[in-house]
Amino acid sequence: EVQLLESGGGSVQPGGSLRLSCAASGFTFSNYAMSWVRQAPGKGLEWVSGISGSGGNILSADSVKGRFTISRDNSKNTLDLQMNSLRAEDTAVYYCAKDRTTSTVTSVDYWGQGTLVTVSS
Amino acid sequence: QSALTQPASVSGSPGQSITISCTGTSSDVGGYNHVSWYQQHPGKAPKLMIYDVTNRPSGVSNRFSGSKSGNTASLTISGLQAEDEADYYCSSYVISDTLVFGGGTRLTVL
Repeated sequence: EVQLLESGGGSVQPGGSLRLSCAASGFTFSNYAMSWVRQAPGKGLEWVSGISGSGGNILSADSVKGRFTISRDNSKNTLDLQMNSLRAEDTAVYYCAKDRTTSTVTSVDYWGQGTLVTVSS
Repeated sequence: QSALTQPASVSGSPGQSITISCTGTSSDVGGYNHVSWYQQHPGKAPKLMIYDVTNRPSGVSNRFSGSKSGNTASLTISGLQAEDEADYYCSSYVISDTLVFGGGTRLTVL
């Protein structure tokens, strides 16, 4: 059974940093691209960043480029998101998401339960 | 990258069929067959219902079907049931090697 367990969410002041982690199990982690997808309160889904199975291909949405960094450790089956220079508009539930393919992000077939990040002074 | 365009809401009575549209451009929906649909109940994580335009994951009811014409993809739910009431999102692979979601559609079962 595929399981994705996020951690690291919480409250932070504008300009601060936070690191999210996702522990994956139930599948061969290195064989699949992974993404972070967020959902602001009462709003829709927004793709944030993705990484290929090998970790060699990394893409991010324009809204977080230069501030957020996605990474993975295939030896530990973990996916991380380092978030710097946080803004109020980054407040959202962040989902760890497994893709159906290896090399790029095409379709999320499994989602974690989400972790809430609140940016407020 | 702009979000794909979905109607804000649709509704239908039990047993009826409804269709939700998802409009993009030739750089996303129209250019690739990586369109997916997700169902999200309140307070829950999304669930994949359709991938690659027409394919259903194992365990998803065959009442859910997908299609595409040009830059617009569609999700059809037939034999509407009370438990289908949820938010539905489409997504598409984009030429820039990224992913884009639609704004979401709230389905109300009357």
